[in-house]
Amino acid sequence: QPVLTQSSSASASLGSSVKLTCTLSSGHSSYIIAWHQQQPGKAPRYLMKLEGSGSYNKGSGVPDRFSGSSSGADRYLTISNLQSEDEADYYCETWDSNSRVFGGGTKLTVL
Amino acid sequence: QVTLRESGPALVKPTQTLTLTCTFSGFSLSTSGMCVSWIRQPPGKALEWLARIDWDDDKYYSTSLKTRLTISKDTSKNQVVLTMTNMDPVDTATYYCARIRSSGGHVDYWGQGTLVTVSS
Repeated sequence: QPVLTQSSSASASLGSSVKLTCTLSSGHSSYIIAWHQQQPGKAPRYLMKLEGSGSYNKGSGVPDRFSGSSSGADRYLTISNLQSEDEADYYCETWDSNSRVFGGGTKLTVL
Repeated sequence: QVTLRESGPALVKPTQTLTLTCTFSGFSLSTSGMCVSWIRQPPGKALEWLARIDWDDDKYYSTSLKTRLTISKDTSKNQVVLTMTNMDPVDTATYYCARIRSSGGHVDYWGQGTLVTVSS
């Protein structure tokens, strides 16, 4: 079963860009992941599906400011032109045929 | 429009059995490829996957909790039910149901969640 590792926190200034990382465990570097955003006090929201090739597909209504990329076992979520509403927890998710796992989440602070 | 809504008790006592219901709309669990999962989140902590049920009634459980969990569906009512036995204070969490399409593999819609507190 894969394990997903995320930094616990990140911060960036309003209007700048930030790149969040989700790292797949050894032997699972080809896995597809998904990114989810959880604003304070709210349920998570699906952002995008991200493949090892770097190809990604966003959910409905996700702003163009959100993009994904990959390198080896690392999966990235880049948020450009940071807005105050982007301050949230971000979780990555992966799965296999009979199980599912989430990363520990990254708390993003917009300064 | 896909929506999911969780319902169940807000408070349960230790050793009791928790029963949660997910009522959804905008899709059918009789449609090939549709799945519903339960996921929980203790206060201030990360998401934890619990169980999944598929359109063909296949069921999958978290390895660490499988002895305590049962997932079932009522396709005619558009509902999925999760039971968790022998509740403990560490099971205090917000419980979410979520939709998954097997073609995508990932959660694509989440319910609003329901907070369950385990306390005597």
